[in-house]
Amino acid sequence: GAVVSQHPSRVICKSGTSVKIECRSLDFQATTMFWYRQFPKQSLMLMATSNEGSKATYEQGVEKDKFLINHASLTLSTLTVTSAHPEDSSFYICSARGTYAEQYFGPGTRLTVT
Amino acid sequence: ELKVEQNPLFLSMQEGKNYTIYCNYSTTSDRLYWYRQDPGKSLESLFVLLSNGAVKQEGRLMASLDTKARLSTLHITAAVHDLSATYFCAVAANQAGTALIFGKGTTLSVSS
Repeated sequence: GAVVSQHPSRVICKSGTSVKIECRSLDFQATTMFWYRQFPKQSLMLMATSNEGSKATYEQGVEKDKFLINHASLTLSTLTVTSAHPEDSSFYICSARGTYAEQYFGPGTRLTVT
Repeated sequence: ELKVEQNPLFLSMQEGKNYTIYCNYSTTSDRLYWYRQDPGKSLESLFVLLSNGAVKQEGRLMASLDTKARLSTLHITAAVHDLSATYFCAVAANQAGTALIFGKGTTLSVSS
């Protein structure tokens, strides 16, 4: 089956710094990828839709200047959390849309901002 | 706005028992997904349901979809401890079937 990887799996950063998370589709091309955020014991919330070669579409309430998304190739999307604060600490999960109805989820990145 | 509701949110079961998790959604959608999540892990795909009346089974889990009622069920048969996890249903947000809107999840605990 299709595989989606994320890097890093865990990251700890200091408040005010920026962190980049990578999402890669390893054995298929994904024109569309999605970024979700999950707080402890809560569901996944869609943050944005990342389209290859165009600007990302952000969900209401998600600051596009704070969560920078770049989808520069058919296999890579990146999420950069700029000027991170403790409230940004969360589990960030990406997914990539397959050819048909399926979506493939990455293993997630746990971000801790101190 | 598409809303997805699951119930129950917490479920404590004894091994060997049967139970059903329900997933209701508010607007028309052409696909529904069920995922499993273990603590600290990402999502594992269980089922993709694409049409009214679709029924899929894998081991002790069976999922069904009624698009007219906007209802999907995940039935657990003869639960075992290994099924303890959080189960999410998710619905495609639009006709293009792209982003998913998730229910709040059902945390299942199976004890002996």
